[in-house]
Amino acid sequence: QSVLTQPPSVSGAPGQKITMSCTGSRSNIGADYDVHWYQQFPGTAPKLLIYGDDNRPSGVPDRFSGSKSGTSASLAITGLQAEDEADYYCQAYDTSLRGYVFGSGTKVTVL
Amino acid sequence: EVQLVESGGGVARPGGSLRLSCAASGFAFDDYGMTWVRRVPGKGLQWISSINSNGDTTTYADSVKGRFIISRDDAKNSLYLQMNSLRAEDTAFYYCARGRANIEGGWFDPWGQGTQVSVSS
Repeated sequence: QSVLTQPPSVSGAPGQKITMSCTGSRSNIGADYDVHWYQQFPGTAPKLLIYGDDNRPSGVPDRFSGSKSGTSASLAITGLQAEDEADYYCQAYDTSLRGYVFGSGTKVTVL
Repeated sequence: EVQLVESGGGVARPGGSLRLSCAASGFAFDDYGMTWVRRVPGKGLQWISSINSNGDTTTYADSVKGRFIISRDDAKNSLYLQMNSLRAEDTAFYYCARGRANIEGGWFDPWGQGTQVSVSS
């Protein structure tokens, strides 16, 4: 059971905007630790997608954006493309556990 | 090019041991904290352990505390995970990843390609 809660799946048509949530608690996201997002395709390593709540590494399209408020964070994908079908994970640091925590993961399906 | 390459995975019996290695290249290894993360089949990512850049601070997930030991050899630009008292639930794909120097907060980038560990009798 993951410390950070994500919806199991989100789907959308090509070109649409989708969002996925990441809900934590006062010991992680609510403790003002940054939230980071990763994209993982089957059989490949996770790739950093968003860092520091809302920053994109070089090479990540600006269709991907992150936000945070209180004990939750969100990842949005605008102009959804078939190549965005993947699993998405949020991650933060937890001060009570004194370690890192991941979300349960959200599978994105492009209809 | 920044690169991480894991090795050492395989099949082990319950109660057995394995030692994973992660070879780093393309960056100043001793400037960064390092982390092990696993992906359990049908489940998501699980943080396992981290070590700071100095090698004098380590942290572990409760599920592996007392059984796994993380270490690093900066002269060899390498990270290790000694896995003892293995259980069936340790079966997963194990990744090493680069993180923040002080291992409190921060993100992981890049990740290695991973190595499979299977625990079965």
